[in-house]
Amino acid sequence: NAGVTQTPKFQVLKTGQSMTLQCAQDMNHEYMSWYRQDPGMGLRLIHYSVGAGITDQGEVPNGYNVSRSTTEDFPLRLLSAAPSQTSVYFCASSRGQSEQYFGPGTRLTVT
Amino acid sequence: GQQVMQIPQYQHVQEGEDFTTYCNSSTTLSNIQWYKQRPGGHPVFLIQLVKSGEVKKQKRLTFQFGEAKKNSSLHITATQTTDVGTYFCAGSRGGNEKLTFGTGTRLTIIP
Repeated sequence: NAGVTQTPKFQVLKTGQSMTLQCAQDMNHEYMSWYRQDPGMGLRLIHYSVGAGITDQGEVPNGYNVSRSTTEDFPLRLLSAAPSQTSVYFCASSRGQSEQYFGPGTRLTVT
Repeated sequence: GQQVMQIPQYQHVQEGEDFTTYCNSSTTLSNIQWYKQRPGGHPVFLIQLVKSGEVKKQKRLTFQFGEAKKNSSLHITATQTTDVGTYFCAGSRGGNEKLTFGTGTRLTIIP
């Protein structure tokens, strides 16, 4: 099992550009989540999904879109990048509300 | 909304000293989880507590869940350099309620 994979590992965007962060898991987990991590702020939930076709907003959803067309994939879209979205992004999956498995993260810089 | 606070934010200890981090929730939790993130890495699950007053041990690590299920602690006995990292708690009110992470405690060890 590859676990949770994320691409890309690093990305630099200019303000206003859009992009998609990819996340995939091969553990057949129904729960998937996106977090952003900023210094001193811990992990803040952006969006999450409890199954294919079901998504909901987390704590900091503005500026991000998600969709969940399959159990395996949960992409995160930045619609119009802003410097405030400079962060490290983690995708996680779990079976219910149990142990969360995190991907290696994407380090995003917006200039 | 649910808030999970963690203290201290930083802790520097001499190798061999003990370390404790505390987690407090504004609401009663169904369960609490603890994660460790090594520098440059991703969060890794350590343990989940679900019962009021529960105490669990993993070698030198002792985890407690408060009687009111609103607070928790992680205690490390005789720290080692391998304990370096940031420790996060994360709580949920159960069901499909999302997991809320604390702000984390960064532990550094002075050899």
